[in-house]
Amino acid sequence: GAVVSQHPSRVICKSGTSVKIECRSLDFQATTMFWYRQFPKQSLMLMATSNEGSKATYEQGVEKDKFLINHASLTLSTLTVTSAHPEDSSFYICSAVPGGYNEQFFGPGTRLTVL
Amino acid sequence: EDQVTQSPEALRLQEGESSSLNCSYTVSGLRGLFWYRQDPGKGPEFLFTLYSAGEEKEKERLKATLTKKESFLHITAPKPEDSATYLCAVQAEVGTYKYIFGTGTRLKVLA
Repeated sequence: GAVVSQHPSRVICKSGTSVKIECRSLDFQATTMFWYRQFPKQSLMLMATSNEGSKATYEQGVEKDKFLINHASLTLSTLTVTSAHPEDSSFYICSAVPGGYNEQFFGPGTRLTVL
Repeated sequence: EDQVTQSPEALRLQEGESSSLNCSYTVSGLRGLFWYRQDPGKGPEFLFTLYSAGEEKEKERLKATLTKKESFLHITAPKPEDSATYLCAVQAEVGTYKYIFGTGTRLKVLA
């Protein structure tokens, strides 16, 4: 149980384009999801908290107009990287919290490469 | 300021050589401490949750313990497949499920 999927697993795009990453909880409902960014050999950096039906809460230093988050249902949150640039290249990971749990369960991650 | 520190940063063990990973934390109020395993290019995999000092959890060759200041992840007779980065995280903020992550310990078990 507590399976989280992400799509796509890898994406390569040109500078200036927008990329959407989906995060789905497959076997549970999640009122809260999180989006992280991870650089090589570093720990996870929290970007934002996504709550179903309300606006995302962004961490300090994260541009909300750059990283658009939508949590339209209890099983789906999306992260859109707008006007992507090479410095946005990274490993993006989402997590979800099942109702009644405290633990976060993580997706497999999405590798974004911006050329 | 709430903080989580893991040590060592990297650890190389021979197969069968038991050891422990440390996670020290400084938080105003601990709501939970979590251990994860992360393989390269993948998302973290949940291992354990600990809530109070003295609590212990076990799974196969892994055992997690908790005191008021730190947690240990003991690895008994490790195998090469235990090679991964082990992440510790704490929940400290009331009303959210946010984590404060440590920087992780990269474990390599040699055959």
